[in-house]
Amino acid sequence: SQQGEEDPQALSIQEGENATMNCSYKTSINNLQWYRQNSGRGLVHLILIRSNEREKHSGRLRVTLDTSKKSSSLLITASRAADTASYFCATDANTGNQFYFGTGTSLTVIP
Amino acid sequence: DAGVIQSPRHEVTEMGQEVTLRCKPISGHNSLFWYRQTMMRGLELLIYFNNNVPIDDSGMPEDRFSAKMPNASFSTLKIQPSEPRDSAVYFCASVPGVSGNTIYFGEGSWLTVV
Repeated sequence: SQQGEEDPQALSIQEGENATMNCSYKTSINNLQWYRQNSGRGLVHLILIRSNEREKHSGRLRVTLDTSKKSSSLLITASRAADTASYFCATDANTGNQFYFGTGTSLTVIP
Repeated sequence: DAGVIQSPRHEVTEMGQEVTLRCKPISGHNSLFWYRQTMMRGLELLIYFNNNVPIDDSGMPEDRFSAKMPNASFSTLKIQPSEPRDSAVYFCASVPGVSGNTIYFGEGSWLTVV
């Protein structure tokens, strides 16, 4: 299975602190994406990083990708209470357009 | 654009009943996915269509589950007969074409089988 795994499963931090989540996957990929899911809602795309990229930024988000270790990290800087959500990484099968999601990290930002 | 539209948003049904979940992908998107989300198993890919054709249904749990996409703007996921262990949130998602594109999710159908 291509399914990734996020680490940690749950993370609780104070507002203003940085939050780091990690994702490991099993086989070669074209792209890796990070998604956010608020309670009771669908997943929303945050950022995509291609297999030939090592780092990407978007606002307070920073994503890194290490294809040799088959891992990625998502850093949220200066966290806010509104960042409280579950965060998932998604990888595409190298041979197709299927997307597989990890188990998610549940982030709680305490005001 | 209205995004991916799913119905019903919530359904409670009795064991043994047939359940039909519906999805309208974003216009112009040619790939459609059905996912199931539970606390125990996370987000599982059930089936994937490309240009209305089922490409990979290896994630469909058993014969009680079936999915169709009769045209580019409509898909259904059917469970017959339903069982309590089918209780989950079922998401439909669509993608505009080739690999490397954002996945757009619907808000999900929350199914409870009692």
